[in-house]
Amino acid sequence: DGGITQSPKYLFRKEGQNVTLSCEQNLNHDAMYWYRQDPGQGLRLIYYSQIVNDFQKGDIAEGYSVSREKKESFPLTVTSAQKNPTAFYLCASSVDSSPLHFGNGTRLTVT
Amino acid sequence: GQQLNQSPQSMFIQEGEDVSMNCTSSSIFNTWLWYKQDPGEGPVLLIALYKAGELTSNGRLTAQFGITRKDSFLNISASIPSDVGIYFCAGRPSYGQNFVFGPGTRLSVLP
Repeated sequence: DGGITQSPKYLFRKEGQNVTLSCEQNLNHDAMYWYRQDPGQGLRLIYYSQIVNDFQKGDIAEGYSVSREKKESFPLTVTSAQKNPTAFYLCASSVDSSPLHFGNGTRLTVT
Repeated sequence: GQQLNQSPQSMFIQEGEDVSMNCTSSSIFNTWLWYKQDPGEGPVLLIALYKAGELTSNGRLTAQFGITRKDSFLNISASIPSDVGIYFCAGRPSYGQNFVFGPGTRLSVLP
């Protein structure tokens, strides 16, 4: 079955540590996205990538970094510079102008 | 940036009742999407709309692309317990641009 796999489902980190969230897709989609979800708010775009080896900042990129070395993979690193990193992180992909297809998310808790 | 408003924020209904919710914007969109999110999961696409005035159904769900292109509506008929979740709208201003998400409508269905 094709889909998007995010791992791990839950992640706990101490403040000051960088952490990397994994996102892998086997849908052969060109574009991949990272969103952050906080209670009562819509999804906010962190970074997106339209093709391999290229990515752009979204609306809330500060404190995050990404890479797109392979079409299938778009990992997100939450750095210690992110002031409020505890959130639910969603990865998505799309092809052409199709609707976004989402993974099942990673809940990150930083204490 | 662009924002979407969804109403109501939350609603409690009896099983079997019909549900209506909407999504509005101050600017024009050329695509509207409706997603449902279960707790701890990623959003799942319900309906996609691409033309002003378009009315599209998916089982008990019906969505409409507003004539003004600044709003969209979602109706659920004869609600059942598994309809519980958060319903998000998403709009895209034009092809090639990223989607903007609303804050969601949380639906609770009472037996």
